[in-house]
Amino acid sequence: LAKTTQPISMDSYEGQEVNITCSHNNIATNDYITWYQQFPSQGPRFIIQGYKTKVTNEVASLFIPADRKSSTLSLPRVSLSDTAVYYCLVAMSGGYNKLIFGAGTRLAVHP
Amino acid sequence: GAVVSQHPSRVICKSGTSVKIECRSLDFQATTMFWYRQFPKQSLMLMATSNEGSKATYEQGVEKDKFLINHASLTLSTLTVTSAHPEDSSFYICSARDPGQGAGTEAFFGQGTRLTVV
Repeated sequence: LAKTTQPISMDSYEGQEVNITCSHNNIATNDYITWYQQFPSQGPRFIIQGYKTKVTNEVASLFIPADRKSSTLSLPRVSLSDTAVYYCLVAMSGGYNKLIFGAGTRLAVHP
Repeated sequence: GAVVSQHPSRVICKSGTSVKIECRSLDFQATTMFWYRQFPKQSLMLMATSNEGSKATYEQGVEKDKFLINHASLTLSTLTVTSAHPEDSSFYICSARDPGQGAGTEAFFGQGTRLTVV
């Protein structure tokens, strides 16, 4: 299982764009990159997933360089409600493949 | 989208008693579910993989006789914390992925169960 490394914490202000980079040097060919958001006392919630290049949905963008050894989650115009822990996970697809969580990035959005 | 539901969301029990936590996949069949434990200010730690119709696979350091897992149907996995002690107090979370979806599908997580042992 590929190990991931993220910054422990980040601070931002409302309305700013936040970019969180995750390093996964040992990513395997069949691995997908997935980001989750977790609020206190709740289970993680899916944000976005990608394999290569760029993926965008209604809440975030995910940038993956050609070598796939890192990825960047981009949150446009954050609000106070985006204050949470963000986890980058790398794993093969398939319901039987377990997900191992790293430490995550604790994002604090200030007024 | 697919939903995973846990019950109860919060439970307080006396030391020495057992507590059962249920995890259900509401609109898909999950042959595999995962159980995590999370202590305050820490990340999720995988405890075990629950396999429908067979024994669970436990991660290193997790006592299988203390954390009993039963996956009797394709939509239900249960985690029983036996002879609970205060150090078992934690946030327990289950997850599952819909095997009917294609490659690269996300995992769905339950809302978690806060266990407090007094």
